[in-house]
Order: sequence, then structure tokens, then C-alpha cells
Amino acid sequence: QVTLKESGPALVKATQTLTLTCTFSGFSLTTSGMRVSWIRQPPGKALEWLARIDWDDDKFYSTSLKTRLTISKATSKNQVVLTMTNMDPVDTATYYCARMRSYYGSGSNQYYFDYWGQGTLVTVSS
Amino acid sequence: QSVLTQPPSVSGAPGQRVTVSCSGSNSNIGAGYDVHWYQHLPGTAPKFLIRGNNNRPSGVPDRFSGSKSGTSASLAITGLQAEDEADYYCQSYDYSLSGWVFGGGTKLTVL
Repeated sequence: QVTLKESGPALVKATQTLTLTCTFSGFSLTTSGMRVSWIRQPPGKALEWLARIDWDDDKFYSTSLKTRLTISKATSKNQVVLTMTNMDPVDTATYYCARMRSYYGSGSNQYYFDYWGQGTLVTVSS
Repeated sequence: QSVLTQPPSVSGAPGQRVTVSCSGSNSNIGAGYDVHWYQHLPGTAPKFLIRGNNNRPSGVPDRFSGSKSGTSASLAITGLQAEDEADYYCQSYDYSLSGWVFGGGTKLTVL
């Protein structure tokens, strides 16, 4: 059974650095093809993909946020950590981690999120 | 503004069929990237519904189906049930943004 759970501070101040941890079970990030992503959803707004880390330590970031994000993994702990620097009130959102899978179709690799955590709400105060 | 456009809400009576549209562009759906769908009840983990336009994981009823044409995709739900009331999101990849993108979400109300 695959599960993921996000943890971190519920409240941070503007300009601070946010550190979120995704603790997962039911799979290993040492297994070929396994990936974990972070996604967020501001209140009343759309989901936004933030970052991805692969079993081979490849990392990918949202182009609009890449200067502020760092994703890493602690495979022995089954954890993925996301740090976001220089937090702003507009970063107030529910942050989700999700396992990412892929397949080859329509001439290219296709990616989707098959298991998600429940999310953690982070509020940024000014 | 979301890269993929969905109607904010749809509704239907129990037993009816509803569709949720997802409109993209030539840099995402129109470029050949598949569309995937998720069901979300606020406060819970989003649930993966359909991948690759119309492939359901085990456990998802065949009342849910997807389709794709050109720069758009649709999720159809037949035999509507009260438990289907939730938010639905489409997702794809956008090469101009070099990232994965979502629709704004559609709230389904079962009347």
C-alpha cells in the first residue's frame, strides 16, 4: 500500500525559508522509475507543480520558481524534502507531495501522479 | 489563470451523464501530451482517476471515462452518484513551460 504524508510548519513569516518533508511508504526511491513531486494549491486557485526528484537523483523545477526551490531525498528514511526560500504571503497554499509515474505513449514519455498525500497548509504572514 | 481551462462547475442529477472539459493549446495537449484526471474531496488526498486519456487504474469504476481530441480533453461520468460530488482536475505537460500543468478544477454537484 502506497502512502505519502507531508509535514512542516503551518505558519512561516515572510522572507523565511520553508522546509517541507514528504514521508512515504509502499515504494522505494532507489527503485528505477520511481519519482516524487511537490505540488501546491493556493486557496481558491489551481494546482501548481513545483519540483520533481527521481530515483537516480535527477531533479526538475518549475521554471518560475526554480531560483527559490531545492528538492532532495533521504532514501534510507523514505523521505523527500523541499525547501523554498524567501517566502511571501502569495506562497500561502496547501502543499502536496505525490508519486509520479511514467509510460511511453503518443511518441513521448508521459507522466502522471498516481498517489498523493493529504497535503499540508502553509500560511505565510507578513 | 491556469494553463488548462476547465469550467468552474458542472451539475447533474443522480443517474445522469456529465462531462468535464479541459481545454489546452498546441504546447501541451495539442503537442501530443496525454491528459490525466484526478478527483479531489477537500481535506483529502487527490485521487488518480484516469491516465493517458482513457486508462483507469484498478478500483476506479468504468462509469468514468476520458477522451482527447486536438487541444482538448473531456472526462465523462455516467450513472452519476452522490459520492461523485467532488472537484475534478485535468493534468498534462507543457513543453513551453517545461513543466507539468493542471486545469483550474471543476466542482461537480450532484443535484
